[in-house]
Amino acid sequence: EPEVTQTPSHQVTQMGQEVILRCVPISNHLYFYWYRQILGQKVEFLVSFYNNEISEKSEIFDDQFSVERPDGSNFTLKIRSTKLEDSAMYFCASSEGSGTYNEQFFGPGTRLTVL
Amino acid sequence: AQSVTQLGSHVSVSEGALVLLRCNYSSSVPPYLFWYVQYPNQGLQLLLKYTSAATLVKGINGFEAEFKKSETSFHLTKPSAHMSDAAEYFCAVSEGSGYSTLTFGKGTMLLVSP
Repeated sequence: EPEVTQTPSHQVTQMGQEVILRCVPISNHLYFYWYRQILGQKVEFLVSFYNNEISEKSEIFDDQFSVERPDGSNFTLKIRSTKLEDSAMYFCASSEGSGTYNEQFFGPGTRLTVL
Repeated sequence: AQSVTQLGSHVSVSEGALVLLRCNYSSSVPPYLFWYVQYPNQGLQLLLKYTSAATLVKGINGFEAEFKKSETSFHLTKPSAHMSDAAEYFCAVSEGSGYSTLTFGKGTMLLVSP
């Protein structure tokens, strides 16, 4: 069964460093998403991406964040200069279409720890 | 703005007992509601969803949920818990925007004892 994969499963970095979190969405899906969950808090929407551009983003997704689909299979989230408060589990998701009728399939997550 | 509240960060049941996980939502428009499950080291998997059709929704693995507008609730139930149901469960709401942004609750960890 096709699935969304994410690498690495755990990333540890120093404050101020850049990190890139990688996701491989399901191959025929066209819509891509990033969510994050800070420990003990809710899963929060960050950004959605379609046709090589951002469709929607939350207040969390500021200039420190960027997304890219560099090669037609990977979907990446970059944090330019990490802060302690960026420590969280980051989930990638993809869906075949847009709208609520299209199920979002989630990856297992990358746990980011900023020291 | 939409929001979701899940009562209880942990729920413990015995195998064979009724499972009840609570979810209340707020939404300025008729909502779409979802339950996701996360098993250890895996991604979020859709259990079931309500999209304004039948108020009682049946999902996978014997779970079901009932949309009650008067109570703004969408509680998840299963008549008889199985050890394999032990996981974290997330309730989510979408206001049906074009890109289906999901707003999640904090999650409830279901513990099942023999």
